[in-house]
Amino acid sequence: QKEVEQNSGPLSVPEGAIASLNCTYSDRGSQSFFWYRQYSGKSPELIMFIYSNGDKEDGRFTAQLNKASQYVSLLIRDSQPSDSATYLCAVGYNQGGKLIFGQGTELSVKP
Amino acid sequence: DGGITQSPKYLFRKEGQNVTLSCEQNLNHDAMYWYRQDPGQGLRLIYYSQIVNDFQKGDIAEGYSVSREKKESFPLTVTSAQKNPTAFYLCATGQGAAGYGYTFGSGTRLTVV
Repeated sequence: QKEVEQNSGPLSVPEGAIASLNCTYSDRGSQSFFWYRQYSGKSPELIMFIYSNGDKEDGRFTAQLNKASQYVSLLIRDSQPSDSATYLCAVGYNQGGKLIFGQGTELSVKP
Repeated sequence: DGGITQSPKYLFRKEGQNVTLSCEQNLNHDAMYWYRQDPGQGLRLIYYSQIVNDFQKGDIAEGYSVSREKKESFPLTVTSAQKNPTAFYLCATGQGAAGYGYTFGSGTRLTVV
C-alpha cells in the first residue's frame, strides 16, 4: 500500500514568516511530486512540482525533494494571509498516471 | 477556454437513490479520475480511466460505477449500495503519465437527505 503522510496541522505562522510544510512517502518507486493548494470549499490547484533531488524555486515557493530520505517539503517565504489554505502533497506513479495524496496540512497565516 | 466542467455543484440524494455526477473536459487529456474528499481528509481515488471504453477501480470503488464512452466524458454514479456518500467529489484529468499532475474540476458536493 503506497502511503503519503503529512502533518494535519493546523500550522500557524505570522505574516511575513516562512511556512514549512512536510510530506513523507513510502514507495521508493515514486517518480514525481506535487504540491496543491486548496482553499476551503474549492478544488485543489497545482502550485509546485518537482522530479529531481534538490530544491526548485518559483517566486515565494520552494519545493525540496530528498529521495534517499523519502521526503518532500514546501517552503513559503514572506507568508501572506492569502496563503491560508490546506496544502496537499501528492506523489505520482507511472501506473495509470495516478497520484496518491496525503491528508493535507492546514496553514493559517495570522496578520 | 480549455477546462473541466463538473455538474451539478450541489446534489442532494435521498436514501436508496442512485445519482450521477457529470464530468466533461475539453483539454484533450487521455486520463480521467474521480476522487472523494471527506472533511479534513485528503483525496481518495474511486475510479480512473486511461482510454475510452476502459476504466479501473481505485481504492474505494465499492458503491460507485463509471463509464467512459467518450474521451471528453467520465460520469460517476453513486449507487444505493454506497452507505455513506456524503462528501465532496472531484473529477480530474491528466495526460496519463506520472509526471504531469492533474487538472481538477470545481467539484460536486453530495449530501444525503
